[in-house]
Amino acid sequence: SQKIEQNSEALNIQEGKTATLTCNYTNYSPAYLQWYRQDPGRGPVFLLLIRENEKEKRKERLKVTFDTTLKQSLFHITASQPADSATYLCALGDSGAGSYQLTFGKGTKLSVIP
Amino acid sequence: GAVVSQHPSRVICKSGTSVKIECRSLDFQATTMFWYRQFPKKSLMLMATSNEGSKATYEQGVEKDKFLINHASLTLSTLTVTSAHPEDSSFYICSAETGTNQPQHFGDGTRLSIL
Repeated sequence: SQKIEQNSEALNIQEGKTATLTCNYTNYSPAYLQWYRQDPGRGPVFLLLIRENEKEKRKERLKVTFDTTLKQSLFHITASQPADSATYLCALGDSGAGSYQLTFGKGTKLSVIP
Repeated sequence: GAVVSQHPSRVICKSGTSVKIECRSLDFQATTMFWYRQFPKKSLMLMATSNEGSKATYEQGVEKDKFLINHASLTLSTLTVTSAHPEDSSFYICSAETGTNQPQHFGDGTRLSIL
């Protein structure tokens, strides 16, 4: 069965450092991958989308890589700030039937310590 | 742009009550909307895909008679939890897609508590 794993439930990092979150998947051939941020009691907020034929995407302090051979995506936040503290979700979009449906990982709760 | 509004944000009601949740795309038309359920420290679980003008597609294990979905216009989808029971208590979130294989934009969720 399809499986998505985000490396850890929680990640603590010092302010100013680069946070790296991992998303691994098995039994899946996604057409694209998305990263979302979710704050407590709120809906997810879209951050970045990367397609299967793209290796890397950047947006301000955020960078996403997508390795379809390793079946892995890395999400980086450079110069992290306490305001970056949140749960980050990766989501895979299948290229099969219902291609616009997303499957989410459980998320990694990032805490940036001042 | 791409704002999705969900209402109400919180509902507390007695067992046996039916509860309606609205999801609106405020600044774009959404042919397709999605309904998710999220338990604490768990991932979002897709319940159903709502298509404007047609019947919703439910995921395996989701009772369509229990969770009624209506997508009557390009900007509004509703989820009605019928005869709700305590086990239906959860965080329900809707989303809308601006186009196929485009990011989904989420509402802020509805915290449903059934006493």
